[in-house]
Amino acid sequence: QKEVEQNSGPLSVPEGAIASLNCTYSDRVSQSFFWYRQYSGKSPELIMSIYSNGDKEDGRFTAQLNKASQYVSLLIRDSQPSDSATYLCALGGLTGGGNKLTFGTGTQLKVEL
Amino acid sequence: GAGVSQSPSNKVTEKGKDVELRCDPISGHTALYWYRQSLGQGLEFLIYFQGNSAPDKSGLPSDRFSAERTGGSVSTLTIQRTQQEDSAVYLCASSLDGGDRGYTFGSGTRLTVV
Repeated sequence: QKEVEQNSGPLSVPEGAIASLNCTYSDRVSQSFFWYRQYSGKSPELIMSIYSNGDKEDGRFTAQLNKASQYVSLLIRDSQPSDSATYLCALGGLTGGGNKLTFGTGTQLKVEL
Repeated sequence: GAGVSQSPSNKVTEKGKDVELRCDPISGHTALYWYRQSLGQGLEFLIYFQGNSAPDKSGLPSDRFSAERTGGSVSTLTIQRTQQEDSAVYLCASSLDGGDRGYTFGSGTRLTVV
């Protein structure tokens, strides 16, 4: 089992809809969780971080963490074409991982007009 | 600087040549990371520097890869005797602490080995 798993997609949603991106992980000791957005040909950009169970909202973005079930998700409300990108889930504090982040392979999101 | 700066942005090299990639982290950031991303793939960890501690080299794929960080700031990733499978985007990131608050990435160096 991979340490961080994401569905590669593409996930297609119509403009204005809610996009739901999911990430599961295998290491229960992970303490920090991040979502990065990567546009094609660009470097990843940090958009959300979450450290405790529950929801964290920032504008149109909501990160959800459930440590018992070992998943973290990202909801994007009122999806816009500019949200079309690959979304990378990243975890910190994995066993034996020190302080580096371990990334999933990303989910491609397409927001259609 | 205002962001993480990487140079060159693009590098084409012949198989067997050595290359050096440079990363200038955000001023004051103590942690510096190198990752690489092959076409359509996820980010592969290479090496991590934190302050004056010994670097975490656990991700370097072979002894052809090495990195140093001088004066706790600028870092250079060196790939000796490049192979075609080394072709990828090499990303540098820095963080204020040990990465607990996430990283800021540079724009990357696209390496093509022909």
